[in-house]
Formats: sequence, structure tokens, C-alpha cells
Amino acid sequence: GQSLEQPSEVTAVEGAIVQINCTYQTSGFYGLSWYQQHDGGAPTFLSYNALDGLEETGRFSSFLSRSDSYGYLLLQELQMKDSASYFCAVRDSNTGFQKLVFGTGTRLLVSP
Amino acid sequence: DTAVSQTPKYLVTQMGNDKSIKCEQNLGHDTMYWYKQDSKKFLKIMFSYNNKELIINETVPNRFSPKSPDKAHLNLHINSLELGDSAVYFCASSRRTSGGLRAYNEQFFGPGTRLTVL
Repeated sequence: GQSLEQPSEVTAVEGAIVQINCTYQTSGFYGLSWYQQHDGGAPTFLSYNALDGLEETGRFSSFLSRSDSYGYLLLQELQMKDSASYFCAVRDSNTGFQKLVFGTGTRLLVSP
Repeated sequence: DTAVSQTPKYLVTQMGNDKSIKCEQNLGHDTMYWYKQDSKKFLKIMFSYNNKELIINETVPNRFSPKSPDKAHLNLHINSLELGDSAVYFCASSRRTSGGLRAYNEQFFGPGTRLTVL
């Protein structure tokens, strides 16, 4: 099976940089994705890493190290609207790759 | 222009009742999902359909029964509701993902249905 661990909460101030870590254990690895969820809202896709290294999309970047079973989401120039929960997720090969297994989620609180 | 829609948004009901949640997507996707998010925000898949065929059926009580009349719709019927069923239920859709490492089809989530069982 799969399990993914994330810190439960991270706090930061506006304009800062914050890193949200994700460590995973999987029977077969097929990429790490990140989703953002605001309170009362739906999860929305942020990024996907299939290979080692850094993927950048605007203020957000995502990193993967397959040898360490580890990834992180990096948020730069934090804004108040970035306050949300962030989930990492892996695909499950046992169900034809359609199933996403989500991490425990990290609540990011951005203060002025 | 809503991509994935769910009804109702809120559902408050008594223990023992039967209720249904409906989901529709207009993205042209062929795969749809039901997720349950509990009070600790843990998001767990329940079911998935691809072109009206059930492809994922997690360890969920038999009281939960999904139904997909066509690939744009996925409904969830819950019998004999229990207190522990209280949660937010999300519908999602995507194109079917192949096994390739680089192949990834993001999932688009509906706004959620907050179910409260009293």
C-alpha cells in the first residue's frame, strides 16, 4: 500500500518563502502531485513531478527525489490568499493508475 | 460554465434515513470519482467509474452505492445513514490516466457536499 506523511501545520508571514515536505512509502512509484484546498473549497491541482528535480510554476515550485522517497512544495512571495491546506498525492499502480492516495495534508497559515 | 457540479451542497438528515448526492461534469472526461473528507481533512477515495464501469471500489460499507448512468454523471446513494457518515463528499473527474510515468491527468473536484447526520 501507500502512505504519505506531511507536517500538520506550517506558519509564515507575507512575502516569505515556505517549504512543505512530503515523504512517501509506495509499492510502485508513479509520480507525486500536489493539490491546494482553501477552507470550505474543493481541492485544486497545483503540480506534478514524475522525475527527479524541480518543476516551477510561477510562485510555486515542486521538487522530487525518488531515491529519498521525498518531495516538497515551495511557495515563494507568500500572499494571504495562500493560506490553505496542501496535499501531496501518489498514483496507485494496482488500480490502473486511476487512484490517487492523498497525504495527511498541511495547513499553511500566512500572517501579515 | 461549472466544470464539476454537485447537488446538494449541504445535506442535514437524521440517522437511519436514505439520501443521494448527484454529480455532473461537463469537461468531457471519461473517469469520475467519489471522495470522502473527514473532520481531520483526510481525503480518501471511495469509488471510481470509467465510462460507466466501476474500476475502484474501496473498503466502503455496503450502505454506499454509486451509480453512473453515463460518463458525465456519477451519483452516490447512502442507505441507513449513521453518525459516522458525517463528512464532506467530493466528486471529481479526469481523463483516464495511462501507466506511463509522465502521463498524468489532473483530477477536477466538485464543490463538495457537506453531509451532517444527526
